[in-house]
Amino acid sequence: DAGVIQSPRHEVTEMGQEVTLRCKPISGHNSLFWYRQTMMRGLELLIYFNNNVPIDDSGMPEDRFSAKMPNASFSTLKIQPSEPRDSAVYFCASSFSMANEKLFFGSGTQLSVL
Amino acid sequence: GENVEQHPSTLSVQEGDSAVIKCTYSDSASNYFPWYKQELGKRPQLIIDIRSNVGEKKDQRIAVTLNKTAKHFSLHITETQPEDSAVYFCAAIGGTALIFGKGTTLSVSS
Repeated sequence: DAGVIQSPRHEVTEMGQEVTLRCKPISGHNSLFWYRQTMMRGLELLIYFNNNVPIDDSGMPEDRFSAKMPNASFSTLKIQPSEPRDSAVYFCASSFSMANEKLFFGSGTQLSVL
Repeated sequence: GENVEQHPSTLSVQEGDSAVIKCTYSDSASNYFPWYKQELGKRPQLIIDIRSNVGEKKDQRIAVTLNKTAKHFSLHITETQPEDSAVYFCAAIGGTALIFGKGTTLSVSS
């Protein structure tokens, strides 16, 4: 098993541009989570899906952020328009079920918005 | 919702010493408490977890204790080694997703 796969590993963009982060969860995992990591705020939960359905998006900072999970093997996190304060490492994680289960993290996407 | 506080934010120890990291949580309904280790530039990885029906769990040099009454849990690392240097995160279930503490940077010097 290749684990959770995220792309790109690094993204450098200019303020105002659209950014799309991608994630492929581990096959057979029913839950997918997007976290953002910064020095100041640590690991923040943005949104999570169960069986491709968004369960809680209360962590999404604002309307500029959106996430989709069109099928069990793919999810995207989009920022439009991007701002310098969005610079962070974005992790995708998956688990076998929604609660009380081990999270498997992807390698993360290092986003820099200039 | 759930709120997880973690202390200290940084911890420096000598090789062979013990290290203790403490966390408190706010939601008395939380029943799962994992600890993740993140090495520099890498992804967080689970190192140990404990469920609410257990007060203590040990795995070689690491152990976790849970006090549900006080709503706090701790990570104990004995006989620390340089390879234990990393950022450690505690977490608790908030609703149906993990909420993480802000992390503790552990530095083990030889």
